[in-house]
Amino acid sequence: AQSVTQLGSHVSVSEGALVLLRCNYSSSVPPYLFWYVQYPNQGLQLLLKYTSAATLVKGINGFEAEFKKSETSFHLTKPSAHMSDAAEYFCAVRPNQAGTALIFGKGTTLSVSS
Amino acid sequence: DGGITQSPKYLFRKEGQNVTLSCEQNLNHDAMYWYRQDPGQGLRLIYYSQIVNDFQKGDIAEGYSVSREKKESFPLTVTSAQKNPTAFYLCASSMSGGAMGQFFGPGTRLTVL
Repeated sequence: AQSVTQLGSHVSVSEGALVLLRCNYSSSVPPYLFWYVQYPNQGLQLLLKYTSAATLVKGINGFEAEFKKSETSFHLTKPSAHMSDAAEYFCAVRPNQAGTALIFGKGTTLSVSS
Repeated sequence: DGGITQSPKYLFRKEGQNVTLSCEQNLNHDAMYWYRQDPGQGLRLIYYSQIVNDFQKGDIAEGYSVSREKKESFPLTVTSAQKNPTAFYLCASSMSGGAMGQFFGPGTRLTVL
């Protein structure tokens, strides 16, 4: 069965520092991959998605992610953290079997200090 | 504007009562989903529906029921059989196949007293 692993349930950075949130997936074929952001007491918002086009995907709010098949990774990065980036981030994969729901990682909480 | 609405935002119920959470979308999406979110556990799938009048159990369907009589609506009932219903509930929808991702509503926080 496919799965998604987010390394680190909590990541802390200083404002202006690089943000790196890690995501590894298990899949026998190139998957569809997604990153979502959730602010407290809100729904999830799609940040970016990989759908087998360019391996470097740019999303909203300055975030980007790189699909690396050899490492089965889809890490999320942002060059310079802003206080408003503090939120919970979820990586997700669409299963190879169409017609089923996304599989989500357990999430990483990003804290940004001034 | 197109989107997903969930109502109410906060819901309080007494133990032993059934409660229905509303989810409506005007995105013309075929598929809809219900998730439960608890601290530190990510999102867990309760039920999903790929088409009107059809739905499938997710990972934690026990104690919940759904219906899909209209394309736009996918209400979730939390029954008295659900042992620990206090949680944040999220509804989502997607185009058929889900390749473009799922779009989420704002969520309903249910507290059972």
